[in-house]
Amino acid sequence: EPEVTQTPSHQVTQMGQEVILRCVPISNHLYFYWYRQILGQKVEFLVSFYNNEISEKSEIFDDQFSVERPDGSNFTLKIRSTKLEDSAMYFCASSERGRFYNQPQHFGDGTRLSIL
Amino acid sequence: GDSVTQMEGPVTLSEEAFLTINCTYTATGYPSLFWYVQYPGEGLQLLLKATKADDKGSNKGFEATYRKETTSFHLEKGSVQVSDSAVYFCALSEADSSYKLIFGSGTRLLVRP
Repeated sequence: EPEVTQTPSHQVTQMGQEVILRCVPISNHLYFYWYRQILGQKVEFLVSFYNNEISEKSEIFDDQFSVERPDGSNFTLKIRSTKLEDSAMYFCASSERGRFYNQPQHFGDGTRLSIL
Repeated sequence: GDSVTQMEGPVTLSEEAFLTINCTYTATGYPSLFWYVQYPGEGLQLLLKATKADDKGSNKGFEATYRKETTSFHLEKGSVQVSDSAVYFCALSEADSSYKLIFGSGTRLLVRP
């Protein structure tokens, strides 16, 4: 069964540094998402991406965050200048949206980001 | 805004016990409803879904019925196994919001032999 893959599984970064989290969605999927889960808290939506542009973003997704689909297969999340509170598990998801009904999202195993 | 409320965990059961994890939602429109499961050290896996009222989603012995009148989507299993130990997340998505998922806080299930 095809799956969403995320790299790295664990990223340790100094505060203030830039970090790029990478995701390879399922190949025929059209909609891409990033979520995060701070330890012990609920999974929170960050951003959705379709047709090479952001379709929706949350309040968390401020100017320090950006997403890109550079080559038609990878989907990246960049944090420009990391803060301690960015420490979390980041999940990538993708879905093949049907026209008349909601297709489920498939998640990667996540990247644990630790900011020191 | 839309939200999902789940029962607090952890839920601790003996093997073969009956499981119910309550989930209620608040939505402005007509959402689709999902249960996702997260096993230790892994990502989120779709367990089951329902897209309209009175639909019953089922998978691996788990079931949940979309109840519009009570805005609920409770997860049930007749006989749990040790391998069902995981965190279970109820979630909704709506068509007018890029289908983003809004999750509940998760319920940890621990099944003892």
